[in-house]
Amino acid sequence: GGIITQTPKFLIGQEGQKLTLKCQQNFNHDTMYWYRQDSGKGLRLIYYSITENDLQKGDLSEGYDASREKKSSFSLTVTSAQKNEMAVFLCASSQGNAETLYFGSGTRLTVL
Amino acid sequence: TQTVSQSDAHVTVFEGDSVELRCNYSYGGSIYLSWYIQHHGRGLQFLLKYYSGNPVVQGVNGFEAEFSKSDSSFHLRKASVHWSDSAVYFCAAVNTGNYKYVFGAGTRLKVIA
Repeated sequence: GGIITQTPKFLIGQEGQKLTLKCQQNFNHDTMYWYRQDSGKGLRLIYYSITENDLQKGDLSEGYDASREKKSSFSLTVTSAQKNEMAVFLCASSQGNAETLYFGSGTRLTVL
Repeated sequence: TQTVSQSDAHVTVFEGDSVELRCNYSYGGSIYLSWYIQHHGRGLQFLLKYYSGNPVVQGVNGFEAEFSKSDSSFHLRKASVHWSDSAVYFCAAVNTGNYKYVFGAGTRLKVIA
């Protein structure tokens, strides 16, 4: 088995601040994802990466950047934090397209 | 537009009852459907999936789901729920050959002991 580790678990920032969320997986999966989960709502795709050095925009990419530094890690940067984007950010990985997703436990973002 | 709809935001049942959580999709092409469970404060965990073959698929912890092309549905069922099944359940869909999963809004299941 493997695990997905997201750091930090809780992230507090000021409005307008640049903030980075990190994700590591040891499944040796090719594909990694960043989702945003707002309270009581479903998951919305921010960015995904099919393989190392690949980046693809999801439906919610505006205001975010991503970086796939190596196969095992995928970072998400909030370029200018806003109060209306307080949410839980979930990282996931999968072996390939249409394969089972494995999720981390999330990073909860609070913007003051 | 590809969509996944979960019509019930909240479902409450008693322990030992059966339950059905509904999922309907609007998709073209070959589709891969799955259900995930999210316990409070945790990430999502895979329950089961369907791509082809027998429309009734079995998952972990006694869950099963049935695919219906005519109804565009993939409802999740359990014959006898336990209090530990209390969680949020998400239906998800993706076209084969694509990477972009679409998730429903989730159904919060509360099991009263």
